[in-house]
Amino acid sequence: GAVVSQHPSWVICKSGTSVKIECRSLDFQATTMFWYRQFPKQSLMLMATSNEGSKATYEQGVEKDKFLINHASLTLSTLTVTSAHPEDSSFYICSAKTGTGDNEQFFGPGTRLTVL
Amino acid sequence: AQKITQTQPGMFVQEKEAVTLDCTYDTSDPSYGLFWYKQPSSGEMIFLIYQGSYDQQNATEGRYSLNFQKARKSANLVISASQLGDSAMYFCAMWVDSNYQLIWGAGTKLIIKP
Repeated sequence: GAVVSQHPSWVICKSGTSVKIECRSLDFQATTMFWYRQFPKQSLMLMATSNEGSKATYEQGVEKDKFLINHASLTLSTLTVTSAHPEDSSFYICSAKTGTGDNEQFFGPGTRLTVL
Repeated sequence: AQKITQTQPGMFVQEKEAVTLDCTYDTSDPSYGLFWYKQPSSGEMIFLIYQGSYDQQNATEGRYSLNFQKARKSANLVISASQLGDSAMYFCAMWVDSNYQLIWGAGTKLIIKP
């Protein structure tokens, strides 16, 4: 149980285009989903926290107009990188948390974005 | 401030030996949880073990155990009988309810030598 999927797993796009990444909880309802960014050989950096049905909370320094997050249902959150540039190339990971009392997060397999 | 410190950027260990990955944490909140994750080159984050701040016993999960020393604020991961497949990045992370997010360490790259 507690499986989180991400789609696509790998994407290459041209500079200036937008890319949408989906994060789905397959067998549980995720009241909260987290979006992380990871550069090579570095740790995870939290970008934003999204709760179903409400606006995402962005971490300091993360442009909300560039990284659009939608959490329309209890099983789906999307991250759209708008007008992507080469510096947006990174590994994006989502995680999902249930609404129960435990504090474990379940991670998706990640999406590797390369912007040419 | 909440913080996780992993002081070992990288480690080489001979296969079948035990290995300890260091993690120290800092929080003033009495309720917190400590996690260890493994990240192989494929990128997925694999949950290994969890220790709650009020847990009396050290957590164990198969070959993984967590050496929790609350007074010293350390939560070292011990891998017994290391295997080649254990080669990966290992991250220590802390959850504090008041923060509502995981605080991550910088990670330790573990390489197991045959």
